[in-house]
This record gives sequence, C-alpha cells and structure tokens, in this order.
Amino acid sequence: DQQVKQNSPSLSVQEGRISILNCDYTNSMFDYFLWYKKYPAEGPTFLISISSIKDKNEDGRFTVFLNKSAKHLSLHIVPSQPGDSAVYFCAASAAGSARQLTFGSGTQLTVLP
Amino acid sequence: EAGVAQSPRYKIIEKRQSVAFWCNPISGHATLYWYQQILGQGPKLLIQFQNNGVVDDSQLPKDRFSAERLKGVDSTLKIQPAKLEDSAVYLCASRQQAYGYTFGSGTRLTVV
Repeated sequence: DQQVKQNSPSLSVQEGRISILNCDYTNSMFDYFLWYKKYPAEGPTFLISISSIKDKNEDGRFTVFLNKSAKHLSLHIVPSQPGDSAVYFCAASAAGSARQLTFGSGTQLTVLP
Repeated sequence: EAGVAQSPRYKIIEKRQSVAFWCNPISGHATLYWYQQILGQGPKLLIQFQNNGVVDDSQLPKDRFSAERLKGVDSTLKIQPAKLEDSAVYLCASRQQAYGYTFGSGTRLTVV
C-alpha cells in the first residue's frame, strides 16, 4: 500500500525552464511534507518542506505547493540548472507517528544544458 | 557540524553470509533511523531508536535483521543470513528537532 506516490519516474527539462515534480498521498493523517534530493552514491539531502497549514512555501528557486483537498503536492524549480539533475523524493509524516517519514519512489530529474 | 557517518560504503557478500553496518549520528541527536532503499524505490523505514531504546521496529524482518544502539550514540544493523532480496542501500539518519532529518551517505549492499 503506497501512501506516497510519485507517478513520474523521470523528467527531462531544458536549462532555464521550469521543472515541476508531482507527488500524491493517500493518508489524510499526513500533516508535514518534505522534498529530498539525492545524488548517486550520496544520502538524501533536505530541500524544502511544507506544513499542512500552508499551501505554498518558497525558498529561492524552489517552491512547494500543497493542495490538501486533492492530496497533492508539487515542487517547482525555476529556473532549472544542470546541477539540479538528481533523484527527487517526496516524503510525508504524521503527528503521532514519531515523525517517521514515508517516501515516494522518486523522480529522476535531468536538466539538459 | 559533522554529518551522519556510515561504514562501510560498499559491501558484497554471498547469500546466507552475515553482514553488519555501522552508523555514527550527529552529536546530540537523540533519534536515529535505519532505512532500506531498494533500487527504483524510495527509502523504507526499518527501525527507529530514541536514545538507546527502540521506538518502532514493526517493519524490521526480525528473523534475519537485528539492530542495536548502545549508549544512545552509535548504532549497528546486522543481517544474518543475507538473502538476494536484501541487496539495497542502507541509510542511517538522525534527528534532533521535530523535522530536521540528516541522512548519511549509506551502505550499498550487494548479495550474490
């Protein structure tokens, strides 16, 4: 039972354009959402997060949008840079779950120069 | 601040052999996690420690996997005996604040 789903295994974008990565969840108890970035042979690194009381959070080139009614979140990267090429994981946690993270399967983003 | 240290980085073993992974979390981080990431999937929680006590090991295959965190600092994860399907990256993470996870670089295990 996949509670967090990333339906696009891969995405290619031209440098300078917008990258949009999507994530859907099924557990209505999730109240905190995070995006992690992973390069080969490295552990995931935290990118940006959003609480369920917000619908948008912005940090430089990265913006996360949350649509609670649709149980959907998205990560926008503008403008995309070749160094953004990595696997992006969406993760969610629920209060009372000891803040364990449930991850999606990831999306490989390739930014073409 | 030093990150989460894991060793070894890579390990190749034959099925039915045993293997152990080591994790040193960030100093002062009370919560420690072990995740298993199979190729093409997201990380899956195996076990969570709070100091040296187990908070959740419901997804740990206890017939072959074991983990301990002595003195609430370093942790080891052991597999005995290993199966082919255990081939994965084993990630250790530690946390101090509510949401501040930090992951180590992981140990890539290949079982042949």
